[in-house]
Amino acid sequence: GAVVSQHPSWVICKSGTSVKIECRSLDFQATTMFWYRQFPKQSLMLMATSNEGSKATYEQGVEKDKFLINHASLTLSTLTVTSAHPEDSSFYICSARDPGGRGDTQYFGPGTRLTVL
Amino acid sequence: AQTVTQSQPEMSVQEAETVTLSCTYDTSENNYYLFWYKQPPSRQMILVIRQEAYKQQNATENRFSVNFQKAAKSFSLKISDSQLGDTAMYFCAFVIQGAQKLVFGQGTRLTINP
Repeated sequence: GAVVSQHPSWVICKSGTSVKIECRSLDFQATTMFWYRQFPKQSLMLMATSNEGSKATYEQGVEKDKFLINHASLTLSTLTVTSAHPEDSSFYICSARDPGGRGDTQYFGPGTRLTVL
Repeated sequence: AQTVTQSQPEMSVQEAETVTLSCTYDTSENNYYLFWYKQPPSRQMILVIRQEAYKQQNATENRFSVNFQKAAKSFSLKISDSQLGDTAMYFCAFVIQGAQKLVFGQGTRLTINP
């Protein structure tokens, strides 16, 4: 149980375009989802916390207008990187908490590798 | 401030050996949960083991066990009979009860050699 999917697994886009990444909880309803960014050989950096039906809470230093997060349902959160630039190239990971199970535990998606040319 | 420290950036052992990964953390809270996550080359984060801070008994999951020392704020992971598939980056993390954010360590890169 507690499976989280992400789509796409990798994406290449041109500078200036927008890219949407989807995160889905497949076998549970997630009231809270999280978006992380991971640079090579580093730990995960939390970007924002996404609560179903309300605005996301962004971490300090994360541009909310650049990284748009929508959590419109209990099983889907999306991260849109707007006007992407090469410095936005990274590995993006989502996670979700299962309030019906071990609500303190985050389960992670497989990640999305974004390359901006 | 809440922090997690993994003092071993890299470790390497032979297959079938036992290896222990260190983790210390800092928090003034009393109720929290501790985790070890594994990130293999596929980069999928996988939950290895979970420990409730209010439980004195150390958690075990097959070949994986922890040594939880609450007073010392230490949470080490022991991998017994290590296998090639255990090669991965291992992250120690905790979350305060009622909070949402996971606090991660910097990770330990573990290599199991044949």
